[in-house]
Amino acid sequence: EQQVQQSPASLVLQEAENAELQCSFSIFTNQVQWFYQRPGGRLVSLLYNPSGTKQSGRLTSTTVIKERRSSLHISSSQITDSGTYLCAMERHSNNRIFFGDGTQLVVKP
Amino acid sequence: DPKIIQKPKYLVAVTGSEKILICEQYLGHNAMYWYRQSAKKPLEFMFSYSYQKLMDNQTASSRFQPQSSKKNHLDLQITALKPDDSATYFCASSQDGGGTSAETLYFGSGTRLTVL
Repeated sequence: EQQVQQSPASLVLQEAENAELQCSFSIFTNQVQWFYQRPGGRLVSLLYNPSGTKQSGRLTSTTVIKERRSSLHISSSQITDSGTYLCAMERHSNNRIFFGDGTQLVVKP
Repeated sequence: DPKIIQKPKYLVAVTGSEKILICEQYLGHNAMYWYRQSAKKPLEFMFSYSYQKLMDNQTASSRFQPQSSKKNHLDLQITALKPDDSATYFCASSQDGGGTSAETLYFGSGTRLTVL
């Protein structure tokens, strides 16, 4: 069973539109992090958000641990936001980190 | 200026051969990890090392052997390569040597391995 589920799998936006990405976990965690990856590129940490709401620039993450879910809101999307957004959680029992399949975002002019 | 260097960026190998993937980090971190990303599966944890000691091993096959000659090095030796080993292998590091906390995880740019 996959521990982390992300939706949607892909998303196409017009520039300046907002995006809402979802992440859910099959088990309890208190470590949630969002990463960004360009095609074939390294992963870059966007936000570490174990609970509540955190903001970084145009990015806002909301994590509700009791409901085992986290979301990433991207406001006023830009073409350079295109790429894959990965959600990751750490499993308490063995401290391993599990990633979702990611959401592929394409922002068009 | 990348602080985690992975070499080579691309690697093509024949089935049955052996390759070593290189990883060096210049962040002063105590823990290093290997992850694998293929088209069929999400990013998967493989190994974690802390102060040059193996902390956790998710890989089922003994064909994958991490090697740490220095604190800031964690290479990955893969023997008897198979086509299913084709994937991008990412090295990562974190300050905390106690586990695989997601909080301070930094990734290299990956080595894309293709096994023919």
